[in-house]
Amino acid sequence: ELKVEQNPLFLSMQEGKNYTIYCNYSTTSDRLYWYRQDPGKSLESLFVLLSNGAVKQEGRLMASLDTKARLSTLHITAAVHDLSATYFCAVDIGYSTLTFGKGTMLLVSP
Amino acid sequence: SAVISQKPSRDICQRGTSLTIQCQVDSQVTMMFWYRQQPGQSLTLIATANQGSEATYESGFVIDKFPISRPNLTFSTLTVSNMSPEDSSIYLCSVEDSVGGPGGYTFGSGTRLTVV
Repeated sequence: ELKVEQNPLFLSMQEGKNYTIYCNYSTTSDRLYWYRQDPGKSLESLFVLLSNGAVKQEGRLMASLDTKARLSTLHITAAVHDLSATYFCAVDIGYSTLTFGKGTMLLVSP
Repeated sequence: SAVISQKPSRDICQRGTSLTIQCQVDSQVTMMFWYRQQPGQSLTLIATANQGSEATYESGFVIDKFPISRPNLTFSTLTVSNMSPEDSSIYLCSVEDSVGGPGGYTFGSGTRLTVV
């Protein structure tokens, strides 16, 4: 059974600081996705990582994938309040079945 | 990426009743997925719906409780049957974005269900 572990589960940051969210998974996969969810809203796709060594950046967020270590990171640079949300990683081991991590609730305060 | 219209967006239902959730996609897709997100929790896959065949259910979910229809390549429904307060969750449908090659998954706006 695939297990996807995210940490931390809760992150309180000050604006302007940097931090990294980690996503470990237990079974070989080269497809990993990051999503953002605002309270009461659906999921917004942030990054699609489809190969070992993939790195993608969008604004203050950068995601990477190391399939050998079974690890993905979501790095936040110079956080701003608008980044406050819950972030999920999800792993696809084939059959188009996604297994989600528990999510990281990010709170950015002044 | 695909655009999904999901409805209703929310509902409050009496225990013992059933609710049908609809998802309409703006393009033809082979598979549609139904997820449940319990309060404060992550997403759990309920089932995968293919057009023309019975849905495939994940462990812990059964057809009698969550019947699914998939009459064509752009539409699916999920029914939550004989509801109890434990069914209070957000239910989301999803499709795979495969235009132009492997992509991510797009989610509907979700249905927030409260059972009283």
